[in-house]
Amino acid sequence: DAGITQSPRHKVTETGTPVTLRCHQTENHRYMYWYRQDPGHGLRLIHYSYGVKDTDKGEVSDGYSVSRSKTEDFLLTLESATSSQTSVYFCAISPRGGGSYEQYFGPGTRLTVT
Amino acid sequence: QQQVKQSPQSLIVQKGGISIINCAYENTAFDYFPWYQQFPGKGPALLIAIRPDVSEKKEGRFTISFNKSAKQFSLHIMDSQPGDSATYFCAASRAGAGSYQLTFGKGTKLSVIP
Repeated sequence: DAGITQSPRHKVTETGTPVTLRCHQTENHRYMYWYRQDPGHGLRLIHYSYGVKDTDKGEVSDGYSVSRSKTEDFLLTLESATSSQTSVYFCAISPRGGGSYEQYFGPGTRLTVT
Repeated sequence: QQQVKQSPQSLIVQKGGISIINCAYENTAFDYFPWYQQFPGKGPALLIAIRPDVSEKKEGRFTISFNKSAKQFSLHIMDSQPGDSATYFCAASRAGAGSYQLTFGKGTKLSVIP
């Protein structure tokens, strides 16, 4: 998984509670992304980061916030989890050097909001 | 608005046969078209990718065919094997936006039967 770890790998939480998912990379890549994967929807971009403290919204950012205080860590926070946020969350990284477009994905976090 | 349409949703192929998955895109600014392979419980893995300046790219048993005028691209898996059984996603990206965001198709579940 290209030097990417995600934690936790599984989590069950209750509606209304805050949740933070962590993505950690050992590749020193500049770009990091958070996607969610739902049946029938493929993967959809939530937020991305193009450097330390530089982040921007993706297609489905409502209800999510992110932070990146170090190159290697990208955090996704659900401030108040809802059942519609039950999903599998994937982090991806990209070197973005020399015209490279490749994104490499982590193993995922399965989140269930009850 | 779905910018990348993938078909079929599911595909059953005999061992040794050819698997063909098709994708169509709408945004002519897209200039990078990867395919990802995903096994159950794992993150998507980059399989093969193409840029619009070539019409075909082959890596082992996997070939991407690209038709710029029709705004379509397809993945061909030759001599399909049971180990190829997985979900395949096409995607598209464009430069200039800064983020090189990937827009994914909804996926095709391939089953290769002995």
